[in-house]
Amino acid sequence: DAMVIQNPRYQVTQFGKPVTLSCSQTLNHNVMYWYQQKSSQAPKLLFHYYDKDFNNEADTPDNFQSRRPNTSFCFLDIRSPGLGDAAMYLCATSRDRTGWTEAFFGQGTRLTVV
Amino acid sequence: DQQVKQNSPSLSVQEGRISILNCDYTNSMFDYFLWYKKYPAEGPTFLISISSIKDKNEDGRFTVFLNKSAKHLSLHIVPSQPGDSAVYFCAASASGYALNFGKGTSLLVTP
Repeated sequence: DAMVIQNPRYQVTQFGKPVTLSCSQTLNHNVMYWYQQKSSQAPKLLFHYYDKDFNNEADTPDNFQSRRPNTSFCFLDIRSPGLGDAAMYLCATSRDRTGWTEAFFGQGTRLTVV
Repeated sequence: DQQVKQNSPSLSVQEGRISILNCDYTNSMFDYFLWYKKYPAEGPTFLISISSIKDKNEDGRFTVFLNKSAKHLSLHIVPSQPGDSAVYFCAASASGYALNFGKGTSLLVTP
C-alpha cells in the first residue's frame, strides 16, 4: 500500500498560472519534505515541515510556498510558474529529522509549464 | 554548489558480476551517508546507509564503503542481478539535516 501519495502524477500548467501540488501520508511521520529534481540533476530540498514548524532553504525562491494543514497533508504552491520551474517534485516523509533510513518518498509529480 | 557528486551517469554490468557505484563529497560535516534506489515512475527507496564512525556496512548483496580521508564512498553489489537495474542516488546528511543528493548513476545489469 502506498504510504506517501502525490497528486497529480503529471501536471501541466500555464506560464504564470498558480499551481498546487499535493502530498499525503499514512505513516503519521512528523517531517514532510519537498524536493525539486530537474532533468539529470540531483534532487534539491526546497523546504520541510517538522510538525507545524516550517523550514525554508535559503536558496528556495519566494515563488515557492508550502502549507501543511494537518499531519497527513502537505501542499506545494507555485505562485507564478516559470519555464524554469518545470521539474519532478518529490515529497518525502520521515519520523524525525534524523530518520533518513525510514524516509519514504512519493512517486513524484512531474510539472510541465507551457 | 554540488556537495555530493556521482561522476558516472551510467554503468553497465553483466549479471553475476560486481557493480561498483562511486560517490564523492566535499562537506566534511557530513556524518551520515545513504544510498537510495529509484525505479522509473517510482520514488527513491532507501537501500543502505553508513555513519561516519564506520568504514563499512553490509546488507546482503549490498556493501557500502566509506573513506573519510578521501571523502569517498562506494556501493558494491555482488552478485549483480537484472532486477538491480535502476538509478542509484548517493546522499549525505550533516547531523541528520537536509539530505543532499548526488545526480544519480543509472545501473544496467545485463543477462
